[in-house]
Amino acid sequence: ETGVTQTPRHLVMGMTNKKSLKCEQHLGHNAMYWYKQSAKKPLELMFVYNFKEQTENNSVPSRFSPECPNSSHLFLHLHTLQPEDSALYLCASSQETGTYNEQFFGPGTRLTVL
Amino acid sequence: GQNIDQPTEMTATEGAIVQINCTYQTSGFNGLFWYQQHAGEAPTFLSYNVLDGLEEKGRFSSFLSRSKGYSYLLLKELQMKDSASYLCAVVDSNYQLIWGAGTKLIIKP
Repeated sequence: ETGVTQTPRHLVMGMTNKKSLKCEQHLGHNAMYWYKQSAKKPLELMFVYNFKEQTENNSVPSRFSPECPNSSHLFLHLHTLQPEDSALYLCASSQETGTYNEQFFGPGTRLTVL
Repeated sequence: GQNIDQPTEMTATEGAIVQINCTYQTSGFNGLFWYQQHAGEAPTFLSYNVLDGLEEKGRFSSFLSRSKGYSYLLLKELQMKDSASYLCAVVDSNYQLIWGAGTKLIIKP
């Protein structure tokens, strides 16, 4: 595997379900990001981790819970989501935060909440 | 507040040239990125500008004017595979990426 991978690619869940999204980067980077992408809207930064420490939480509802066990893996745990949470969830990585380093993106998880 | 503006959608003909504009108002400036995103795929890096002027990379060029808060992406000799969304993003004073909503480019034969 190379680059940034995400699983699953597609997820359909009910509002009472609990699921997790997984991201893995094979680039030796130290920073990882979760973004939400909705149609015709800018990418919304959700969470940032730098060297496994969370450095950003952009007022994300508590029904989204991130986890970063090491610099290569990032999870987004989902529970009691709402239909408006349906979107493409993108994971990205970069060398580190606090610089202009290019971010490398995974293909995303297309989430549908029924 | 911080704001990035780019056209929602553009249409161009195969073999032609198209210019996608991006204007920004941000808290500080530490560079501007252009990314390409094909439908259902990851955004991929195209260019990074931090100084004024034109950066050319094959069929793609990116221009920056910091005094005007303006950038454009120029695509030459358009190919059908260039049909994609093009995302403009500015690095602000806190080194956070501020994203535009993207421009969907449709290429017609």
